[in-house]
Amino acid sequence: QQQVKQSPQSLIVQKGGISIINCAYENTAFDYFPWYQQFPGKGPALLIAIRPDVSEKKEGRFTISFNKSAKQFSLHIMDSQPGDSATYFCAASMWGYQKVTFGTGTKLQVIP
Amino acid sequence: NAGVTQTPKFQVLKTGQSMTLQCAQDMNHEYMSWYRQDPGMGLRLIHYSVGAGITDQGEVPNGYNVSRSTTEDFPLRLLSAAPSQTSVYFCASTNPDRPNEQFFGPGTRLTVL
Repeated sequence: QQQVKQSPQSLIVQKGGISIINCAYENTAFDYFPWYQQFPGKGPALLIAIRPDVSEKKEGRFTISFNKSAKQFSLHIMDSQPGDSATYFCAASMWGYQKVTFGTGTKLQVIP
Repeated sequence: NAGVTQTPKFQVLKTGQSMTLQCAQDMNHEYMSWYRQDPGMGLRLIHYSVGAGITDQGEVPNGYNVSRSTTEDFPLRLLSAAPSQTSVYFCASTNPDRPNEQFFGPGTRLTVL
């Protein structure tokens, strides 16, 4: 049972463009939604996270948009750069709990 | 700090062989987890631990054993390797003060022939 659905599976964006990755969750008990970034040959690393008390969180060129009623959240990468090329995982968990449910991942390629 | 370390980086096994994937962290994190990463399936939790002597099963525990005798180490054992266990394995640790933020190791790529 996949509790966090992520799309698209892969994404090609031109340098300077906007990359958008979408996720939907099922478990209404989830109240912490992180995004992880993974470069080839490396482990995932926490990129940005949001809790449902806000609808948007921005850190530099990375923004999470959150829609609680639709149980959806998305990652926007503004002014995408070739260095952003990586696999991105959305995830969901309950605040204060260790167990995290990950999405299936999106491989982003930013072309010059 | 070295963070989370994993050994070996690569491993090839034959069906039926056993082995232990090593994981260590030097951040004094009480929480540790093992995940496997497969194409199109994301990261799936195998086993996790909230402290020395305490372990529990995750989403895909079959075929794997764990133990946690110290805070620093969390080894993952494959008792009888199967081709379905071909995957990339990641260990992660978490500060219980910030339990939702996972710190991942560099991974072990395992191939079972």
